[in-house]
Amino acid sequence: GAVVSQHPSRVICKSGTSVKIECRSLDFQATTMFWYRQFPKQSLMLMATSNEGSKATYEQGVEKDKFLINHASLTLSTLTVTSAHPEDSSFYICSARLAGQYQETQYFGPGTRLLVL
Amino acid sequence: GESVGLHLPTLSVQEGDNSIINCAYSNSASDYFIWYKQESGKGPQFIIDIRSNMDKRQGQRVTVLLNKTVKHLSLQIAATQPGDSAVYFCAENHLDSNYQLIWGAGTKLIIKP
Repeated sequence: GAVVSQHPSRVICKSGTSVKIECRSLDFQATTMFWYRQFPKQSLMLMATSNEGSKATYEQGVEKDKFLINHASLTLSTLTVTSAHPEDSSFYICSARLAGQYQETQYFGPGTRLLVL
Repeated sequence: GESVGLHLPTLSVQEGDNSIINCAYSNSASDYFIWYKQESGKGPQFIIDIRSNMDKRQGQRVTVLLNKTVKHLSLQIAATQPGDSAVYFCAENHLDSNYQLIWGAGTKLIIKP
C-alpha cells in the first residue's frame, strides 16, 4: 500500500516553455502533498505544501508564480514549472501524507528529472 | 522545511556485515522520526519509523534506535546486502510543523563485495 506515482519520469524541454508534473496517490487519499526539489548529492529541499481544495503554501524563496501547484482532488496534485529556464533543471519529487489519520509519514513518488535546454 | 548539509558522508561496509548509520537531530520538540532509503535516480523509500515515546523499533533486518537525551537516531541494517546500497536519510517531525519533515544530510552506504 501507500504507492505514489509521478508523471512524467523524465522530461526535456526548451527554455521558455512550461512543464507540468503530476503526482498521484494510487491506493490512498492524501489531503496533503508535498513538492521537493533535489540537487545532486544533496538532501531534499521542500518547495511547497499542497493542500486539497486550498492554495499551496510555499517555502521562503520559492516563487509561487513560477511553480504553480494545483491539488484538485484527494489523489492528484500537479506542479507546473512556468517559463522554464536551465537553472530549473533538477530532480522534482512529490510526496503524499495519509489522510484521516494521525500519521505524519510521507510516501514519495519516483521523481521527475527535468532538463531545460 | 529545511535541508541540512551539502556534503554527503559515506559509509563502506563489507557485504554480510552489519551497518550502522547515524543521525543527529536538533529539535528536542520532534516527536516522530523516519528513515528513508533513496537509490540513485529514484524517490525516497520509507524504511522504518519511531515515535519519541519509544527508544527502539525493529523491522525486517533493520532496527532504529532513538536516544532523546543526546538527540541521536541510528539505523542498523543486519547482514548488509548489495541491494542495500543507497543514500539513507533521517527525517524528523513535530506537531507544530504542519507535517513538514526536517531532513538530515544523508549518508551514502557502499557495499564492498
